[in-house]
Amino acid sequence: DAGVIQSPRHEVTEMGQEVTLRCKPISGHNSLFWYRQTMMRGLELLIYFNNNVPIDDSGMPEDRFSAKMPNASFSTLKIQPSEPRDSAVYFCASIQGAGNTIYFGEGSWLTVV
Amino acid sequence: DQQVKQNSPSLSVQEGRISILNCDYTNSMFDYFLWYKKYPAEGPTFLISISSIKDKNEDGRFTVFLNKSAKHLSLHIVPSQPGDSAVYFCAASVRYNTDKLIFGTGTRLQVFP
Repeated sequence: DAGVIQSPRHEVTEMGQEVTLRCKPISGHNSLFWYRQTMMRGLELLIYFNNNVPIDDSGMPEDRFSAKMPNASFSTLKIQPSEPRDSAVYFCASIQGAGNTIYFGEGSWLTVV
Repeated sequence: DQQVKQNSPSLSVQEGRISILNCDYTNSMFDYFLWYKKYPAEGPTFLISISSIKDKNEDGRFTVFLNKSAKHLSLHIVPSQPGDSAVYFCAASVRYNTDKLIFGTGTRLQVFP
């Protein structure tokens, strides 16, 4: 079975540009998460969706960040405009029901120069 | 403030010996704890978990110990193998709610021959 699929794997962009990260969760999973990994803060939850509805976006750092989940098989995380401090690895993850194991994608490495 | 802390960013252990990774938490409401393992260029994968009703959970070479009074848990790997070299993240949640996992900053384990 395919796992959580993320794209792009690597992105280098200039400050001020728009960045869109994409995620396809595991089929049948009803919750989707966006995490950000940095050296200083480890894995931080940015936002999560349940049945395509955003449930908690309190981790989204600021208004430059937005996330959508138009259907059960696709989600995007957008940063506009991007800044160097956004450089990190962004992970998408999905789960089938609370209390079950979260499965992570391989991550999108973002570098903003 | 970090509610889940991994104060050792790295650990180096000889093959065959015991690896002990530590994790401290501050939120007394946490009652479910997990360890995730992450290889380079891959997403974190679930390793082992423990609920607050237990003080030990064992799975093969991996054992997690929980000391609720000290708000401390540890992961023991015995014997350590080179394939265990990875970043290990500690995570915690309230009421088995894996929708709201709080992760630590991770500890990089290197097992050398």
